[in-house]
Amino acid sequence: NAGVTQTPKFRVLKTGQSMTLLCAQDMNHEYMYWYRQDPGMGLRLIHYSVGEGTTAKGEVPDGYNVSRLKKQNFLLGLESAAPSQTSVYFCASSYAWTGGSNQPQHFGDGTRLSIL
Amino acid sequence: GQSLEQPSEVTAVEGAIVQINCTYQTSGFYGLSWYQQHDGGAPTFLSYNALDGLEETGRFSSFLSRSDSYGYLLLQELQMKDSASYFCAVRGALGNSGYSTLTFGKGTMLLVSP
Repeated sequence: NAGVTQTPKFRVLKTGQSMTLLCAQDMNHEYMYWYRQDPGMGLRLIHYSVGEGTTAKGEVPDGYNVSRLKKQNFLLGLESAAPSQTSVYFCASSYAWTGGSNQPQHFGDGTRLSIL
Repeated sequence: GQSLEQPSEVTAVEGAIVQINCTYQTSGFYGLSWYQQHDGGAPTFLSYNALDGLEETGRFSSFLSRSDSYGYLLLQELQMKDSASYFCAVRGALGNSGYSTLTFGKGTMLLVSP
């Protein structure tokens, strides 16, 4: 089982360039998330989606856009890359949550992005 | 919003017991989760507490006190492979969106020595 697959795994960009990170999940999960992880900062939510065609802002959305055209895919776009966006980006997915029930998030292996 | 505090680093020896504490401030609290991350790889889910008390899963246990806004992860019979970063995460309301999401702490690096 592939689970959550992120592409690419590594990328180096120049300031001002744009790119798209792809996340694909094969678990039929309704919810998908994009996080960034910086040293000493933990995981911070960028954007999330609760279903096909629906996206919403998380904690640190500025400079990023997302799209969820298909249930299994969640794309993260950097419109004009800046050095401050150098980070490790993780995608995650989960079943829908209701009330106090828990649905664990399943993470991909990450995309290591450097912006020069 | 949400905020979480956990120690940045904990060290222990093989076979020992270690406790990683987590205190949080949040609105609309639903539960506290713990995730493990090895060497910057994919975080993996360990446990979830929605109600007060202790949840046990093998060598790992997690505790929650909602009145104290406090929880901990207890790792017993430590093994070298337990060396990793451990994150507590609060499930709480995300602004006025009507949805809830996870807010992660900054992580605790556990170093297990022989």
